[in-house]
Amino acid sequence: DVKVTQSSRYLVKRTGEKVFLECVQDMDHENMFWYRQDPGLGLRLIYFSYDVKMKEKGDIPEGYSVSREKKERFSLILESASTNQTSMYLCASSPDPGTTRDNEQFFGPGTRLTVL
Amino acid sequence: AQKITQTQPGMFVQEKEAVTLDCTYDTSDPSYGLFWYKQPSSGEMIFLIYQGSYDQQNATEGRYSLNFQKARKSANLVISASQLGDSAMYFCAMREGWNTGNQFYFGTGTSLTVIP
Repeated sequence: DVKVTQSSRYLVKRTGEKVFLECVQDMDHENMFWYRQDPGLGLRLIYFSYDVKMKEKGDIPEGYSVSREKKERFSLILESASTNQTSMYLCASSPDPGTTRDNEQFFGPGTRLTVL
Repeated sequence: AQKITQTQPGMFVQEKEAVTLDCTYDTSDPSYGLFWYKQPSSGEMIFLIYQGSYDQQNATEGRYSLNFQKARKSANLVISASQLGDSAMYFCAMREGWNTGNQFYFGTGTSLTVIP
């Protein structure tokens, strides 16, 4: 089974802190994604990566950066956490579309981040 | 314009009845994939069903079926014989094209409550 793990289920940080959210997948997927989920807004894409050291901005990249030094690991970084970044953060991975047609995303369990 | 629209924030259904969750999408790409995910209160995202844009028949997976109406750009999820465990948030998603680096788009979700 595909497994996507996230470093923390719950995290509490203070305004201005630098925050690292880690995501690891074990299925050799090329693509990895970071979303934030807020009530009434669904999932909004922050950043995604389709290869090591490659990254693409999603719909709401402001205030975030990412790092993908190894294929299995995709990190989301909040350079200076703010209260409006309090949210559920979901990581996902998917294979390259050329490998399988119904290439759904596999999600991690999520990290609920609270910024005080 | 929204890529994925889910117009039902909340739905109720009696146990053992069928329920339809609406989803419309917007794309000019002839190649795309449509996905439905379930998110229980535990927060995990569970893949339910997939429909490719060139598929001639509606997708089915057990009690789930996808009512795909291409001309109307709709991809409604039908759950037959509802069970209490079906109570959850349901998200419709789309991936445009089959190229590396294509992102997924998610709707805002529908909260389904199954009444005993």
